[in-house]
Order: sequence, then structure tokens, then C-alpha cells
Amino acid sequence: GAVVSQHPSWVICKSGTSVKIECRSLDFQATTMFWYRQFPKQSLMLMATSNEGSKATYEQGVEKDKFLINHASLTLSTLTVTSAHPEDSSFYICSAGKDRGLLYGYTFGSGTRLTVV
Amino acid sequence: QKEVEQNSGPLSVPEGAIASLNCTYSDRGSQSFFWYRQYSGKSPELIMSIYSNGDKEDGRFTAQLNKASQYVSLLIRDSQPSDSATYLCAVNEHGSGNTGKLIFGQGTTLQVKP
Repeated sequence: GAVVSQHPSWVICKSGTSVKIECRSLDFQATTMFWYRQFPKQSLMLMATSNEGSKATYEQGVEKDKFLINHASLTLSTLTVTSAHPEDSSFYICSAGKDRGLLYGYTFGSGTRLTVV
Repeated sequence: QKEVEQNSGPLSVPEGAIASLNCTYSDRGSQSFFWYRQYSGKSPELIMSIYSNGDKEDGRFTAQLNKASQYVSLLIRDSQPSDSATYLCAVNEHGSGNTGKLIFGQGTTLQVKP
């Protein structure tokens, strides 16, 4: 159990356009999902905590108007990168888990590699 | 500031040897501890979890937890070249509201040489 699906796996977009990334929990309900960003050869950076039915909680330094998060159901969270620029090119990964991860940890999606040209 | 510290490595071991990966954490109230493996270009994969002091074994992997010393480790026996990856230590954030957020270390890169 605890399968997390992320789509798309890669996307190339033009500078100034917006990109939406989906994260789905396939066999469990997730009240909380997390969004990370990872640059090459660097560690995971938590961007925000996505809460079902309420506003996301953003980490310090992450622009909430640029990275829009919607968690409208217990199985789906979306991250929209608005007005993307080349510096937004990165590997974006979501994670989710049962019981807030206390016993089973969190499962990561397969990630989305975003390239902004 | 809650922290999880790992030696970034690389840690290089010969095939068949035991690889020992270490992690310390600052939040004494933390209750859940995890090891993730991340291959280059891929997302992290959960390989071990531990909650009680002592050892927990799963195949070639053994996780060790010492809450008094705020220390958690991962041993990989009979290391294989396919174990070459970055290993991330993660600790479940403890505190009011219990967000369940994981605090990750920087990761240790393991290289297993044939």
C-alpha cells in the first residue's frame, strides 16, 4: 500500500507560462501532502505542506503566489508553477503518507523534471 | 531550528563489505526515524523505519536507534554496487499540532566499488 502517483514525469515549457503538476495517493487518503524541490546534486528542499480543504503552509522563502497549491480532495494535490522562468527549472517531488507518517513514513511520487526555456 | 545532520561523503566501500551510515538529530522529542535511498535522477525510496531504541533488521539492512545520544544509523551488509546511491536520514517533526513534517539530512553518498 501507500502508492503515490505524480504526473507529468517531465515537462518543458516556455518562460512566462504556467505548469501544473499533479500528485495522487492511489490506495489511501492523504490529508497532508508535501511538495519538495531538488536542484542537481543538492538535497531535498521542502517547499510547502498541502492540507486538504485548507490553505497550504509554505516554508520560509517560498513565494506562495508563484507556487500555487491546491488540495481539493483527500487523494489529489496540485502544484502550479506560475509565470515560470529558467531559474524554476528543477526536480519537483511530492510525498504523502498514512497517519501523518508517524508509523509508515511517507512515500514519494516519481517526481517531475521541469525545464523552462 | 530542528536539524538532522549527516556526513555528505562520499563513503566508499568495497563490494561485500559493511557500509555504515550515521545521522544525528537535534529534536529530543522526535519519535519516528526513517532512511530513504535516492538514486541519481530518481525520487527517494523508503527503505527502513525505526521507532524504538535498539536494532531493527530487514534483509541486508539494519537500522540502529539511540535516543539518549540522538543518533540513528543504517548498516548495509554485503554491500553491492547496486547499493550505490544517496541515503537520506529523516526524522518526524515533533511539536504542537504534529504536522508530521519530515526533517531530512543532507544525505550521504555511498559508492560500492566492485
